[in-house]
Amino acid sequence: GAVVSQHPSWVICKSGTSVKIECRSLDFQATTMFWYRQFPKQSLMLMATSNEGSKATYEQGVEKDKFLINHASLTLSTLTVTSAHPEDSSFYICSAKAGGYTGELFFGEGSRLTVL
Amino acid sequence: SQQGEEDPQALSIQEGENATMNCSYKTSINNLQWYRQNSGRGLVHLILIRSNEREKHSGRLRVTLDTSKKSSSLLITASRAADTASYFCAPSGTASKLTFGTGTRLQVTL
Repeated sequence: GAVVSQHPSWVICKSGTSVKIECRSLDFQATTMFWYRQFPKQSLMLMATSNEGSKATYEQGVEKDKFLINHASLTLSTLTVTSAHPEDSSFYICSAKAGGYTGELFFGEGSRLTVL
Repeated sequence: SQQGEEDPQALSIQEGENATMNCSYKTSINNLQWYRQNSGRGLVHLILIRSNEREKHSGRLRVTLDTSKKSSSLLITASRAADTASYFCAPSGTASKLTFGTGTRLQVTL
C-alpha cells in the first residue's frame, strides 16, 4: 500500500517557538493532504485540507495564521505551529489521497508535540 | 461534512471471540470506510464498502452496509490480542475529506 511518512514523530519545544512538521508521500503523488489533531482518548479533528500549489482550506475554528500549511510539491506538505503554547500540545496526524483516488486515505504515523 | 458515530464506545472481549462494532451516519454517501488506530499511531485503512454494496469481506473482517438505515457494522472474527485498537468509521460523500467520530476502543484480552 501507499506510504506516508511524517517527521518528526515527537518534538518538545519551548513556549513561543515555532515547530514544523513534515508529511511526505513516499511512493505516490498526493494532490491533496489533510491535517488532523488528536487529544488523548479523543477523535481526530480535521484542521485543514492542503492542496498542492494552492492555499490550504481551513476548518471552522482553526486559526490559519497559527497553523501554517504549505503544500509546495506533490509529495510534501508541511504544518508549522507558530508561536506555540502549551495548549497546542497534541498529536498531529497527516493523511493523503493518491491520484486515481479510490476513496481511501493513507495516514502518517503522527507527530506528538509537547510545548513547555 | 460526513461523520460517523461508532457504537459501543468501548468493547472488551477475550481472544478468539468475535467483535462487532456499529456505525451510524446521517447523510447520503458514496462509500463508507473503516480504519484502525493503535495507541499513539496513525490510522490504518481496513476496508471500503461502496454504497451499492451490502457486504464485504477481507480476511477476518466482515463489513455490512445498510443505506436505508444509514448504518454499517464491522465484525472481527476470531479476535487476537493484536486487534486491540480504536476503530473508526468514515462515511464518504462527494467531498474528499474524511471526518471521524470518537471510535470504538476494542480491548482483546488473553
